[in-house]
Amino acid sequence: LAKTTQPISMDSYEGQEVNITCSHNNIATNDYITWYQQFPSQGPRFIIQGYKTKVTNEVASLFIPADRKSSTLSLPRVSLSDTAVYYCLVGNTGGFKTIFGAGTRLFVKA
Amino acid sequence: NAGVTQTPKFRVLKTGQSMTLLCAQDMNHEYMYWYRQDPGMGLRLIHYSVGEGTTAKGEVPDGYNVSRLKKQNFLLGLESAAPSQTSVYFCASSYGYGTGATYEQYFGPGTRLTVT
Repeated sequence: LAKTTQPISMDSYEGQEVNITCSHNNIATNDYITWYQQFPSQGPRFIIQGYKTKVTNEVASLFIPADRKSSTLSLPRVSLSDTAVYYCLVGNTGGFKTIFGAGTRLFVKA
Repeated sequence: NAGVTQTPKFRVLKTGQSMTLLCAQDMNHEYMYWYRQDPGMGLRLIHYSVGEGTTAKGEVPDGYNVSRLKKQNFLLGLESAAPSQTSVYFCASSYGYGTGATYEQYFGPGTRLTVT
């Protein structure tokens, strides 16, 4: 299983763009990269998933370089409500083969 | 469409007592999962199921049992609760296995369990 490494915490201010990088040096050829968001006292929520290059949806963008050994979740113009824990997962065979690490705790300040 | 629901939301047990946590999903998902989350930590997979009538062990299965008698329900049992099982328990479900992408998991609201 590919192990991921993320910063433990990050601070930002409202209106700024936030980039959270995840390292996954041992990613396998068939692995996808998935990001989840978890608010306090709630279950995680899927944000975005990608295999290579760039993926964008209404919430975030995911940048994956050619070697796929890392990925960057980009949150444009964050607000206070984006304060949450963000998890980077790598896997390809369903949830039972993916591991939620400690995640990155993002604090957005006014 | 309620998504994933969990019962109960809160529970306090004494050491040695037993209980069952119920998870239900109305999305016709094949896969279901039980996780535990301890303070300040990520989620750890306890057991999972890839279909009705099947279950398998995850990372931390000891002290727990599960059953999937109906496709929409996944039960997590604690036969003899211990203080180390104090945690928040999340159930999740997803579509079945496919090549490539890891299917999005939909999570329930969680059950906060305290064992004294």
